[in-house]
Amino acid sequence: IAGITQAPTSQILAAGRRMTLRCTQDMRHNAMYWYRQDLGLGLRLIHYSNTAGTTGKGEVPDGYSVSRANTDDFPLTLASAVPSQTSVYFCASSRAENEKLFFGSGTQLSVL
Amino acid sequence: QKEVEQNSGPLSVPEGAIASLNCTYSDRVSQSFFWYRQYSGKSPELIMSIYSNGDKEDGRFTAQLNKASQYVSLLIRDSQPSDSATYLCAVNFAFTGNQFYFGTGTSLTVIP
Repeated sequence: IAGITQAPTSQILAAGRRMTLRCTQDMRHNAMYWYRQDLGLGLRLIHYSNTAGTTGKGEVPDGYSVSRANTDDFPLTLASAVPSQTSVYFCASSRAENEKLFFGSGTQLSVL
Repeated sequence: QKEVEQNSGPLSVPEGAIASLNCTYSDRVSQSFFWYRQYSGKSPELIMSIYSNGDKEDGRFTAQLNKASQYVSLLIRDSQPSDSATYLCAVNFAFTGNQFYFGTGTSLTVIP
């Protein structure tokens, strides 16, 4: 089934550890995004990429990095996790800029 | 002030009634507007997109956009219990490099 695959589904991580959340799409969408969702704060954009080889910062980029080596993959890395990064992380994609987003199933991350 | 604001609710309507969900956004040049539905523990899924002033209808759903008032709404006619979910408003602002900003969502409960 075409769509967006995120891994892992959930993870418990010790503070200070490095973690990479994986995101792969098979829809050949140009744009990809990472959001975090927290109760009362809604979805907030972390980083985005409008095309392979380019990335941009969203509303809450600090503590996170991304890369876009090819069209399909958009991993999100936490270099040194902190408890405030406990959240549900959603990867999304769109065919082009300004078009509707398709979301992955999310990663529940707990940093202790 | 957040870029996109919604009443968090909860909003309760009886089955068969019209549910009205509202969203306001900041005074910036905006390009596109989206309504997403999110069931508890699931990822957001697109309901409607609207790009120009006026109404857009799709089945039981109608999106209304008024750029002068910085206001976008979603009407759900003949509400069903299966419509019970959180509804997220998203706006793509121009000159942001393709960043989608989300409201915090309105929780809707349709009472049988």
